[in-house]
Amino acid sequence: GAGVSQSPSNKVTEKGKDVELRCDPISGHTALYWYRQSLGQGLEFLIYFQGNSAPDKSGLPSDRFSAERTGGSVSTLTIQRTQQEDSAVYLCASSLLGGTGANQPQHFGDGTRLSIL
Amino acid sequence: GNSVTQMEGPVTLSEEAFLTINCTYTATGYPSLFWYVQYPGEGLQLLLKATKADDKGSNKGFEATYRKETTSFHLEKGSVQVSDSAVYLCALPSQAGTALIFGKGTTLSVSS
Repeated sequence: GAGVSQSPSNKVTEKGKDVELRCDPISGHTALYWYRQSLGQGLEFLIYFQGNSAPDKSGLPSDRFSAERTGGSVSTLTIQRTQQEDSAVYLCASSLLGGTGANQPQHFGDGTRLSIL
Repeated sequence: GNSVTQMEGPVTLSEEAFLTINCTYTATGYPSLFWYVQYPGEGLQLLLKATKADDKGSNKGFEATYRKETTSFHLEKGSVQVSDSAVYLCALPSQAGTALIFGKGTTLSVSS
């Protein structure tokens, strides 16, 4: 597609359940990023992929959070045993280069709005 | 590490008023600087960028100049429209270059 695509757009689940969020980056973009946007917290970085490897996962808030990327393209963010504080909009972005190429602008998807009951 | 401080809103203006949203940064070296915009119900979009000192980024009537002396990247528009109502976020790369660091965002509301 032309832009970054995320699915689902909305997800409501019960506390304690696992969720998977998906991101399809722009074709050819080697760098992929996950962020979280919650009220009062602004945009927080979660994890950065260069190709299929994640050289920076320093923003993942706990070991309940994990992410993978396959084929240098699609990425999945998994949250296990969800808690109410996980409620937020999860945004994915991609760019042509990352790391020392971070001066490239990042292109964002519309996000997944996650609500934990 | 790198950081950004952005004036907090909300900012409420009448149509055709002049807009300034302040953004100052702390950084190692001279990274690119960005303004992103989030219109109601839409995703985050790049509004403009500047890649070096004294560079001016511009788009849709908005401008921002990369000021090394004052470590600032203030967003300006000479005459705002109702359609400019949105959340504006200033950003720069982290020191490692593995993420964008965003300001808290400024909500702009323009009334006719």
